[in-house]
Amino acid sequence: DVKVTQSSRYLVKRTGEKVFLECVQDMDHENMFWYRQDPGLGLRLIYFSYDVKMKEKGDIPEGYSVSREKKERFSLILESASTNQTSMYLCASSELPLAGGRSNEQFFGPGTRLTVL
Amino acid sequence: DAKTTQPTSMDCAEGRAANLPCNHSTISGNEYVYWYRQIHSQGPQYIIHGLKNNETNEMASLIITEDRKSSTLILPHATLRDTAVYYCIVNFGNEKLTFGTGTRLTIIP
Repeated sequence: DVKVTQSSRYLVKRTGEKVFLECVQDMDHENMFWYRQDPGLGLRLIYFSYDVKMKEKGDIPEGYSVSREKKERFSLILESASTNQTSMYLCASSELPLAGGRSNEQFFGPGTRLTVL
Repeated sequence: DAKTTQPTSMDCAEGRAANLPCNHSTISGNEYVYWYRQIHSQGPQYIIHGLKNNETNEMASLIITEDRKSSTLILPHATLRDTAVYYCIVNFGNEKLTFGTGTRLTIIP
C-alpha cells in the first residue's frame, strides 16, 4: 500500500517562529502536494512539485515556501508563522499521469493540525 | 478546470444506496470526473473517476449523463463507515486537483 506520512499530527507554535512540516512517501511518486484545509473553504493547494528540486505555486502560496531535495520528501516551510496560518495541513503524492489521461489518483497523509498562538 | 456544484449535506439510511449528485455544466470534452471522500480526521481518499462511460469499482459506481453536465456517485449499500465529506472534482487528468467544500453524507442507523 502507498503510504504518505507526515511528521506530526498536532503542532503548536508561536507567532514569528519558523515552522517545518515534513512529508514522506514510499511509492516513488513523482508528484507531491501541500494543501491546507479550513472550515467552509475546502482544500486549497499551497505548492506542488513534479520532480526533485522543482516546485510550482498553487492557489495560496503566500507566506509559505517548499523544499524537495529528495524524491520521497517534500517539506513545507512557514518562514514566520502567523495566526492566520492556523489550519490543517495535508500532504499528498501521485504518479505522473500517462498519455491518454490515466487517473492521477492522489494519496493523502493523515494531516498536521497546526496552531499558531 | 470546470467548476462543480454539490449539495451541502445529505442523509441516507444504513443499508440503502446513497446517491450523491454533482453538476459540472461547464465541463469540457477532455475533462475527467473524480470523486474523493474524507472521513473525519483523515486525509481525503480516492474513490473513482470517469470520462464518458459509467464506471464501477469495489467502492462505488459513477454514472455520468450523456451530455456530461452532471454525474452521480452511488454507494450501493451504505454503512456507517461511509459517513464522510464527498468531493466531486473535474480535471483534465493533470496533476492539480481543486477541492471544493463537498457534500457531507451522514449514514443514519
